[in-house]
Amino acid sequence: DTAVSQTPKYLVTQMGNDKSIKCEQNLGHDTMYWYKQDSKKFLKIMFSYNNKELIINETVPNRFSPKSPDKAHLNLHINSLELGDSAVYFCASSRMGSGETQYFGPGTRLLVL
Amino acid sequence: KQEVTQIPAALSVPEGENLVLNCSFTDSAIYNLQWFRQDPGKGLTSLLLIQSSQREQTSGRLNASLDKSSGRSTLYIAASQPGDSATYLCAARTGANSKLTFGKGITLSVRP
Repeated sequence: DTAVSQTPKYLVTQMGNDKSIKCEQNLGHDTMYWYKQDSKKFLKIMFSYNNKELIINETVPNRFSPKSPDKAHLNLHINSLELGDSAVYFCASSRMGSGETQYFGPGTRLLVL
Repeated sequence: KQEVTQIPAALSVPEGENLVLNCSFTDSAIYNLQWFRQDPGKGLTSLLLIQSSQREQTSGRLNASLDKSSGRSTLYIAASQPGDSATYLCAARTGANSKLTFGKGITLSVRP
């Protein structure tokens, strides 16, 4: 009955690899987000999609490419992984325009070796 | 550009104490402000959301206040319990469709 789910929960990979993280929400929300939480626990927005359209794109390397096949899914694909990509990635969702709370997934812990 | 600051970074209190967690923001033209809780290795759970037109919100032992003119919000926890131990983050939003800007969080430890 999870509201926002992410897979995988843990991801350990080598530098230079390409990996994807999946996110799904069953709350009927129209807006989804990706956040990165670094080793110092600082949480920062990366992307936001509304109805499959990109609305927020922070200064993120273009190795990161979000894809939203439908309103309930927002996947994050990362090319040519670097050591500095090691972090916890959180997906979240909300309803657009209402300023309502965002609901967060449990996070994906990515370690690049 | 909105910046959110939470000081101190960590706090340790004995069980039963009432405590206040502080959050300050640089742009007073905020749309709303949220307080979240993050347990180790877990995602974020929303605790309270205060709209810009509100002064405070309450949920159980938690009370959050908002003072836009001074750029401050506080989270008051009454009668703290060991189960309250977690990291508490505040986040400000400057528009209905804008991003959340997070503080770095305050890691609270409540000693039995």
